[in-house]
Amino acid sequence: NAGVTQTPKFRVLKTGQSMTLLCAQDMNHEYMYWYRQDPGMGLRLIHYSVGEGTTAKGEVPDGYNVSRLKKQNFLLGLESAAPSQTSVYFCASRPLANEQFFGPGTRLTVL
Amino acid sequence: GENVEQHPSTLSVQEGDSAVIKCTYSDSASNYFPWYKQELGKGPQLIIDIRSNVGEKKDQRIAVTLNKTAKHFSLHITETQPEDSAVYFCAASPSNTGNQFYFGTGTSLTVIP
Repeated sequence: NAGVTQTPKFRVLKTGQSMTLLCAQDMNHEYMYWYRQDPGMGLRLIHYSVGEGTTAKGEVPDGYNVSRLKKQNFLLGLESAAPSQTSVYFCASRPLANEQFFGPGTRLTVL
Repeated sequence: GENVEQHPSTLSVQEGDSAVIKCTYSDSASNYFPWYKQELGKGPQLIIDIRSNVGEKKDQRIAVTLNKTAKHFSLHITETQPEDSAVYFCAASPSNTGNQFYFGTGTSLTVIP
């Protein structure tokens, strides 16, 4: 099992550009999450999904959109990137029990 | 929403000594408290967790204690080793959200050989 994978690992964008981050899990987990990690601020939840076809807002959803068309994939979109969205993005998944499994992260820089 | 505070932000200990990291939470509905270890360039990994119906849990050199009345929980690492050096995060999950996790700001632990 690959666990939770994230694509890409690194990306540099210019202000106003758009991009999609892909998270994939092969553990048949119901729940999937997108977090951002900034220095001194821990991990903050952006959006999450409790199952295929569902999404919900977390703590810091503004400027992001998500989709969960397939159970194994959770996509995070930035329609018009801003420098404030420079961060490390982590995806996580979990089964109905509580443990979350995290991906390796995507480092995004917006110039 | 839930607010989780974590202290200290940095901690240095001599190899073999103990390390203690403390977290407080604000929402009395929180009933699940995981601890994660994050090594440089990697995603967080669960090392131990505790539920609100338990006061203490131990796994080899790692233990977690929970005081529901005071709304705080702590991570204890005994006989520290250089490979324990990492950033540690606490988190809380309120039962009324069911699916959300709120993280502390992290503690950078350095174990000096």
